[in-house]
Amino acid sequence: GQQVMQIPQYQHVQEGEDFTTYCNSSTTLSNIQWYKQRPGGHPVFLIQLVKSGEVKKQKRLTFQFGEAKKNSSLHITATQTTDVGTYFCAGRKAGSYQLTFGKGTKLSVIP
Amino acid sequence: NAGVTQTPKFQVLKTGQSMTLQCAQDMNHNSMYWYRQDPGMGLRLIYYSASEGTTDKGEVPNGYNVSRLNKREFSLRLESAAPSQTSVYFCASGAGLNTEAFFGQGTRLTVV
Repeated sequence: GQQVMQIPQYQHVQEGEDFTTYCNSSTTLSNIQWYKQRPGGHPVFLIQLVKSGEVKKQKRLTFQFGEAKKNSSLHITATQTTDVGTYFCAGRKAGSYQLTFGKGTKLSVIP
Repeated sequence: NAGVTQTPKFQVLKTGQSMTLQCAQDMNHNSMYWYRQDPGMGLRLIYYSASEGTTDKGEVPNGYNVSRLNKREFSLRLESAAPSQTSVYFCASGAGLNTEAFFGQGTRLTVV
């Protein structure tokens, strides 16, 4: 079955440092989505990438979709304490409603 | 605008008991999903329903059944609960294939 792998599992950074999480799929994806889950909360949608090589930015967050549509990354510039939480990628194969999540990267930010 | 509503929020069951987790969405979405979340395992898909009247197995369907009662409601049933089913369960909905998923607040289930 489809597998989505995400690294690292945990990341501790000083406030102001950058952070990156990587996502790798065993199969070519139709699209990839990113979600953020705050401690004790539920996953909240951040963004969707559809095109090969696509790059999207949301303020300090930069999302990339690989050329082969099998990998993706989320980069946060100058982390803040409000960035704390677990970041998940989730991928879909073409024509499938099944949304497969990675295991997530838990980000801690030390003030 | 409630979005996706799950009930109950917390539940403790004894091994062998049955129960149904309820989920309803008011966004007129076609697709609905049930996930379980365990520490270090991320979100794993149990069942999904692409549209009213259809359901399909996800990654971890064993021990569960689902019913897409109508377009709004998608329930998850545990016929004979086991300690391995202790988890946080999330229901989600989406408008279609290439759209985001909206999650409910979750149900924290403990089976003793």
